[in-house]
Amino acid sequence: SQTIHQWPATLVQPVGSPLSLECTVEGTSNPNLYWYRQAAGRGLQLLFYSVGIGQISSEVPQNLSASRPQDRQFILSSKKLLLSDSGFYLCAWSGTPTGELFFGEGSRLTVL
Amino acid sequence: SQQGEEDPQALSIQEGENATMNCSYKTSINNLQWYRQNSGRGLVHLILIRSNEREKHSGRLRVTLDTSKKSSSLLITASRAADTASYFCATDPYGGATNKLIFGTGTLLAVQP
Repeated sequence: SQTIHQWPATLVQPVGSPLSLECTVEGTSNPNLYWYRQAAGRGLQLLFYSVGIGQISSEVPQNLSASRPQDRQFILSSKKLLLSDSGFYLCAWSGTPTGELFFGEGSRLTVL
Repeated sequence: SQQGEEDPQALSIQEGENATMNCSYKTSINNLQWYRQNSGRGLVHLILIRSNEREKHSGRLRVTLDTSKKSSSLLITASRAADTASYFCATDPYGGATNKLIFGTGTLLAVQP
């Protein structure tokens, strides 16, 4: 069966520090991969998606970047965090024609 | 921008009652999906309804879709305290193989024991 792992679960970082969130998927190959952000009490905002190694599409201009160095690995990064980067970050994968998403448990980032 | 808007934003009911949540969307779709999120956790896929379907059932869940009104509803029958969660509808307005889902703002359901 397929599983998705996301880490770290929580992170408290000072403004201006770098960020790296990692996500890996097991039990499937060539999945579509996604990073979403959820602000407190809000819906999900799609940040990045990837349909293959090295193929990244950004949905919104921002302080963040994403990379896919391996087929089942998706990384969210920032060189210098802003206060507005605080939120709940969710990684997801999709591999079905109908497009159901399977989410990780999320990473809560607090920027102070 | 939000493709889907759920209504109500919050709903509080007693155990055993039914809970109905509504979703409106803006563009044409191939399918509409509902997800559940427990507090502080990832989302879990509940049910998918295709654009050529009008109603679908899964256990205590019943979903309807009205493409003419661009709306969907999720009914949870005989609710339980464990159903307490946020519920989101999601659509893919882009089509193709990217499966870029756009989520609504969610309905927070509280089921009182």
